[in-house]
Amino acid sequence: GQNIDQPTEMTATEGAIVQINCTYQTSGFNGLFWYQQHAGEAPTFLSYNVLDGLEEKGRFSSFLSRSKGYSYLLLKELQMKDSASYLCAVMDSNYQLIWGAGTKLIIKP
Amino acid sequence: DTAVSQTPKYLVTQMGNDKSIKCEQNLGHDTMYWYKQDSKKFLKIMFSYNNKELIINETVPNRFSPKSPDKAHLNLHINSLELGDSAVYFCASSQGVDLQPQHFGDGTRLSIL
Repeated sequence: GQNIDQPTEMTATEGAIVQINCTYQTSGFNGLFWYQQHAGEAPTFLSYNVLDGLEEKGRFSSFLSRSKGYSYLLLKELQMKDSASYLCAVMDSNYQLIWGAGTKLIIKP
Repeated sequence: DTAVSQTPKYLVTQMGNDKSIKCEQNLGHDTMYWYKQDSKKFLKIMFSYNNKELIINETVPNRFSPKSPDKAHLNLHINSLELGDSAVYFCASSQGVDLQPQHFGDGTRLSIL
């Protein structure tokens, strides 16, 4: 079956750095996406990785290792507004997105 | 100038009723989707249309019927609503079916009494 695993919840301090991990087992791989979802709102696109390595986008970076079936999202200089759920999604061989349940990130002052 | 808009935002109705949710995107995208997000927050794909053609139809009860009158619209009609249909339904669109980010509507919160 297809499986995406992420921690359910993480807590971090304002101004710090946090890494949210995602491991996956899917039928084929065409790319991995990260989305942010604030409570009661729609998911919004953050980044995607197709090849191994690190993609940097401002305070957010995403890393991929296809051989390990592993990705992480790194958030730097955390702000209170970063409190949200972070969803990992893998595009399988049919170009269908398989979604993780998301990691709820709580930022404390 | 909302990119993906869906209506209504809230829908409270009784078991057994029939209801529709509308979705429109003004991004010029070719592909549109319906997702269901349950209480455990998993996003599950229900349907996907590319240029008005159905391309993904997951294991969804046939009480759910999508309709795409044109590539900017994808509506969802649900017959004989059941308690288990309570969830948030998201419409989304993307430029194509491959590596393109999906843009989501604000969701429709469906509650069945």
